[in-house]
Amino acid sequence: EDQVTQSPEALRLQEGESSSLNCSYTVSGLRGLFWYRQDPGKGPEFLFTLYSAGEEKEKERLKATLTKKESFLHITAPKPEDSATYLCAVQASGSQGNLIFGKGTKLSVKP
Amino acid sequence: NAGVTQTPKFRVLKTGQSMTLLCAQDMNHEYMYWYRQDPGMGLRLIHYSVGEGTTAKGEVPDGYNVSRLKKQNFLLGLESAAPSQTSVYFCASSLRQGGSRTGELFFGEGSRLTVL
Repeated sequence: EDQVTQSPEALRLQEGESSSLNCSYTVSGLRGLFWYRQDPGKGPEFLFTLYSAGEEKEKERLKATLTKKESFLHITAPKPEDSATYLCAVQASGSQGNLIFGKGTKLSVKP
Repeated sequence: NAGVTQTPKFRVLKTGQSMTLLCAQDMNHEYMYWYRQDPGMGLRLIHYSVGEGTTAKGEVPDGYNVSRLKKQNFLLGLESAAPSQTSVYFCASSLRQGGSRTGELFFGEGSRLTVL
């Protein structure tokens, strides 16, 4: 069964304190792995797509990496505005574009 | 740039009542989806559509029906609401399958439904 597990469930950081979020997955053929950001009361917002092991993507203070079993979202010198829930999702080969989402990591960055 | 618009944003129903959630997108996307999000459960796919006039079941379709009569609209219906359907519902759209961007979903802001 295709599955996505994110850890930790919640993470509290001080402003400037770098850290990483983990997304472990099992899927019958990976078409793509996706990271989304969700602010309270809003819909998820697309951040990155990763397609193959070794691939990396960057956007401002965020960097996403991918291995054959997991993905990491590295946050460098976070700011309070980076506080949000970060969702990981996978798309399996042969699926009709459907994504399987993890439960998310809630990140809080204190000034 | 409206993107994906959901109506209504909030609704309270009594058990057994029916209602329809409307999703509209202005990006000419082929694919549209309805998800529900519950605490501790993550986003779960209810139904989806790969084009005008088509619909398919997702992970949790029971108790819901959908229609895609126009490419830009995707309706989610509850025929007889139950307390277990209390949730936040998100509509999303994406480009046609076959391209490299079908997993890049554009979400609406959600519709919060409470069933008493």
